[in-house]
Amino acid sequence: GENVEQHPSTLSVQEGDSAVIKCTYSDSASNYFPWYKQELGKRPQLIIDIRSNVGEKKDQRIAVTLNKTAKHFSLHITETQPEDSAVYFCAASKNFGNEKLTFGTGTRLTIIP
Amino acid sequence: SAVISQKPSRDICQRGTSLTIQCQVDSQVTMMFWYRQQPGQSLTLIATANQGSEATYESGFVIDKFPISRPNLTFSTLTVSNMSPEDSSIYLCSVEAELTVTEAFFGQGTRLTVV
Repeated sequence: GENVEQHPSTLSVQEGDSAVIKCTYSDSASNYFPWYKQELGKRPQLIIDIRSNVGEKKDQRIAVTLNKTAKHFSLHITETQPEDSAVYFCAASKNFGNEKLTFGTGTRLTIIP
Repeated sequence: SAVISQKPSRDICQRGTSLTIQCQVDSQVTMMFWYRQQPGQSLTLIATANQGSEATYESGFVIDKFPISRPNLTFSTLTVSNMSPEDSSIYLCSVEAELTVTEAFFGQGTRLTVV
């Protein structure tokens, strides 16, 4: 089955700097890659996703890049703010809507004011 | 977006007892998923519940321990049976909803403590 690895497990950056979180997946058939943000005591919420027919997607300060050949995808947060502090999870699925999501191990991001 | 109501939000239970967690969705969905999230850990899929068929369990999870019901397209329950302290965790239900963009939505979670 699919295996998703995520790095780093913790990340601290100064407010205003950029943060990058990386994930690799094992199943070349995977074609949907979402990123979730989970604040303390709350449910995971989708922040951005990308499908395998696209190499990059951006939404304001957040972007995701996908390298299908290398089977890795990354989350980029620019101009970080204190409210970006949370745990971030990547995930992968090969037939989203009919197949499960496999989650990475998570990255605890701390923004230092 | 899909609205998921999950209850209870938390419970403290005695070992050896069972707890049933309910998940109600405001729209019809084909698949519902049950996850466990241990403190500081990622989400681990317990099982996938389709309406009208047996749930599909992931490796390490069995029906006798985590029976699931899916009586219709908007509702599901997960029971944690014969609980032990190792079952203390957050349990989340999730659905994959097709809207203008497809995304997965999560219930608010059930924080279970077994004493």
